Amino acid sequence: AQSVSQHNHHVILSEAASLELGCNYSYGGTVNLFWYVQYPGQHLQLLLKYFSGDPLVKGIKGFEAEFIKSKFSFNLRKPSVQWSDTAEYFCAVNAPGGRRALTFGSGTRLQVQP
Amino acid sequence: DVKVTQSSRYLVKRTGEKVFLECVQDMDHENMFWYRQDPGLGLRLIYFSYDVKMKEKGDIPEGYSVSREKKERFSLILESASTNQTSMYLCASSSGGSNEQFFGPGTRLTVL
Repeated sequence: AQSVSQHNHHVILSEAASLELGCNYSYGGTVNLFWYVQYPGQHLQLLLKYFSGDPLVKGIKGFEAEFIKSKFSFNLRKPSVQWSDTAEYFCAVNAPGGRRALTFGSGTRLQVQP
Repeated sequence: DVKVTQSSRYLVKRTGEKVFLECVQDMDHENMFWYRQDPGLGLRLIYFSYDVKMKEKGDIPEGYSVSREKKERFSLILESASTNQTSMYLCASSSGGSNEQFFGPGTRLTVL
């Protein structure tokens, strides 16, 4: 069975600070990886995804993530956060050809102070 | 744009009531999912469906059932609501060939 760990539960940053949110998964085979974001009062939306190819993936709103297979990690980064990035961020995984549902991490709440 | 809609944003029910949560998607997606979202636990899969009249248990199906009579509609049923089912319920859909899921706005259910 797959599992996803997000070790940072609550992160507080000032505007313009750099962001890195950790995500580690446990699964021995090929995986698809996702980061979703949930802004206050809004529904979950996809930030970025990795299926194969270049392990550095760029998403919307200046976010990127790097897949490091040897570390089973898919950390989310942004060089300079804005107040509007305040949200909850979820890492998720599934296996190609396997169960189509996603396995989610527990989420990281990001608070950006102006 | 894919649109996933859920019948209610907020719902308050009493213990023992039968509760129906409805989800509709407009993109002809084969797959539909029900998750519940709880603080500190992320999203956990309750049930999913690959096709009309097909359903599969997720990780926490106890106390829930589902119905998919039409491709665009996936219903979550709480046969006898209990206080520990107070939660945010999220519906999602995806196409057969893609693992990207599109989410509805959620229904915040409170069981008193």
